[in-house]
Amino acid sequence: AQSVAQPEDQVNVAEGNPLTVKCTYSVSGNPYLFWYVQYPNRGLQFLLKYITGDNLVKGSYGFEAEFNKSQTSFHLKKPSALVSDSALYFCAVTIRRGGYNKLIFGAGTRLAVHP
Amino acid sequence: DVKVTQSSRYLVKRTGEKVFLECVQDMDHENMFWYRQDPGLGLRLIYFSYDVKMKEKGDIPEGYSVSREKKERFSLILESASTNQTSMYLCASKTGQGFTEAFFGQGTRLTVV
Repeated sequence: AQSVAQPEDQVNVAEGNPLTVKCTYSVSGNPYLFWYVQYPNRGLQFLLKYITGDNLVKGSYGFEAEFNKSQTSFHLKKPSALVSDSALYFCAVTIRRGGYNKLIFGAGTRLAVHP
Repeated sequence: DVKVTQSSRYLVKRTGEKVFLECVQDMDHENMFWYRQDPGLGLRLIYFSYDVKMKEKGDIPEGYSVSREKKERFSLILESASTNQTSMYLCASKTGQGFTEAFFGQGTRLTVV
């Protein structure tokens, strides 16, 4: 089955340290991968996406993500975490079903950045 | 900027009521989606629409229906609300291409009592 997984419910990191939020996927064909962020009581905001080309993708707020085809992963990273980065992060992938493109999401990872 | 607007931020409804959640987008997007978000379960797709009057069931369509009479508007209908439909509901829209990102509304937190 085509799916996306986020193996960690929560990630804790100290301010100033690098952070990684993990995502793995299982899709047929070439994947289109996305990261979104959700702040409390808000909708989701797009951070970055991988379509093709360079495996390291840069996005909003200093975030980047590394696409690894052999490991079917698309981990979100940031070199130096901020307290304001604390939020819920979702990985997503476009799948083709019934002739149409659908966007499916992982369960989400809560990032907590401590001062 | 793309704008996706959901008609209500918070709703409280009684069990058995018929509930309408409205979503409007202003970017002429072909695809529109309704998700529900529950802790630990992420976003689960209820229904999506790829064109006016066209709809497809998502992963959890039971107890819901949708309507898309105009391209900019996608409505989610709870035919007879139940307490297990208490949740955050998120609407999204995007173009028809698989590589474009979706844009989300602010969400509607529905409580069924």
